[in-house]
Amino acid sequence: EAGVTQFPSHSVIEKGQTVTLRCDPISGHDNLYWYRRVMGKEIKFLLHFVKESKQDESGMPNNRFLAERTGGTYSTLKVQPAELEDSGVYFCASSRRQLNTDTQYFGPGTRLTVL
Amino acid sequence: AQSVTQLGSHVSVSEGALVLLRCNYSSSVPPYLFWYVQYPNQGLQLLLKYTSAATLVKGINGFEAEFKKSETSFHLTKPSAHMSDAAEYFCAVSDTGGFKTIFGAGTRLFVKA
Repeated sequence: EAGVTQFPSHSVIEKGQTVTLRCDPISGHDNLYWYRRVMGKEIKFLLHFVKESKQDESGMPNNRFLAERTGGTYSTLKVQPAELEDSGVYFCASSRRQLNTDTQYFGPGTRLTVL
Repeated sequence: AQSVTQLGSHVSVSEGALVLLRCNYSSSVPPYLFWYVQYPNQGLQLLLKYTSAATLVKGINGFEAEFKKSETSFHLTKPSAHMSDAAEYFCAVSDTGGFKTIFGAGTRLFVKA
């Protein structure tokens, strides 16, 4: 069984540009999560999809961030326009069931650097 | 609201020595607790989880953690460190109001030969 995959692994962009991160969850996992770790800080929750619906987006920093999950499969996270403080590692995770004890499987992350 | 505190951003042990990584949580209800490990250039991997069954939880790679309600702790231990254990370790709690995971700041474990 393939794990959670994320693309790209690294992205370096200039302030003001747009970047789109992609996450492919484990096949059959209805739940998809985005997290972010800014340098030296905790990993913070961004949002949670159940299939194609946003279940909880309380962690999204501001309206420059847009997450989508069309068709309930892969998800994209777009940052437009990017700011310096958006730099960090963006993790995606997926889980099968909608239980808070269910294991969330994490991808390797996308390291975003905004110059 | 739930929160997690990991004591020590860096821990260094000698190969063969005991590994002890400390984690304290804050939760108004019985928590679900997790330890994750991140090896270089890899994603987070679940080591073990506590979901209100046995208080001593055994995980992968010889790690275990004990849930102590009276101390609000969930410390991670391994009797004998191996060089391959060098990684960053995260303690986490599941948000009882939803499904997000709340992480501690992480502890980087160094293992000396």
